[in-house]
Amino acid sequence: DVVMTQTPVSLPVSLGGQASISCRSSQSLVHSNGNTYLHWYLQKPGQSPQLLIYRVSNRFSGVPDRFSGSGSGTDFTLKISRVEPEDLGDYYCLQSTHFPWTFGGGTKLELK
Amino acid sequence: QVQLKESGPGLVKPSLTLSLTCTVSGFSLSSYGVIWVRQPPGKGLEWMGVIWGNGNTNYNSALKSRLSISRDTSKSQVFLKMNNLQTEDTAMYFCARTGYSDYWGQGVMVTVSS
Repeated sequence: DVVMTQTPVSLPVSLGGQASISCRSSQSLVHSNGNTYLHWYLQKPGQSPQLLIYRVSNRFSGVPDRFSGSGSGTDFTLKISRVEPEDLGDYYCLQSTHFPWTFGGGTKLELK
Repeated sequence: QVQLKESGPGLVKPSLTLSLTCTVSGFSLSSYGVIWVRQPPGKGLEWMGVIWGNGNTNYNSALKSRLSISRDTSKSQVFLKMNNLQTEDTAMYFCARTGYSDYWGQGVMVTVSS
């Protein structure tokens, strides 16, 4: 199975500041069709996960441009600029290139 | 609009079988797949499996021997069955639509206890 290593586990931030979360895979996430199926989700307390970024760098409908995704191969990053209170929660990466699909362990974005 | 809703028993005794239903609206199960994801209390997300629009399935290798996902397209329902439940299967269970898991249900909490 592909292991997704997400860092840091906890990320204290100040409102208005910037946050960066890393997700590394144990093998390349480039599919045989050339696409890379690495996605990012935010789970707010008591809620279901919500899709932020799909296929590395595409923002889902309604997601502010403060969120950006980048990376390739085995190394991916989610950046959040100008952090707002509604951005706080648990962030997860998910790879759906290889079966079984696997999530990263999560990063808790919290106030400093 | 797209909606998914999980339903099922909140409490299951150890060694018995869990049966959950995901009822969807706003899209066709023949066009989109549905995944199941679970989350033990205070822990991270675990992908369980998927049933695709063509009815094919893929499962988490760690659960494959106990897990079955099926559907009834006429009722817009997807079913999860997992046998021989243990206390470590206590979790919130979510269903979500494929297409990058863009829509999720609210989840259903399942506790395994005698």
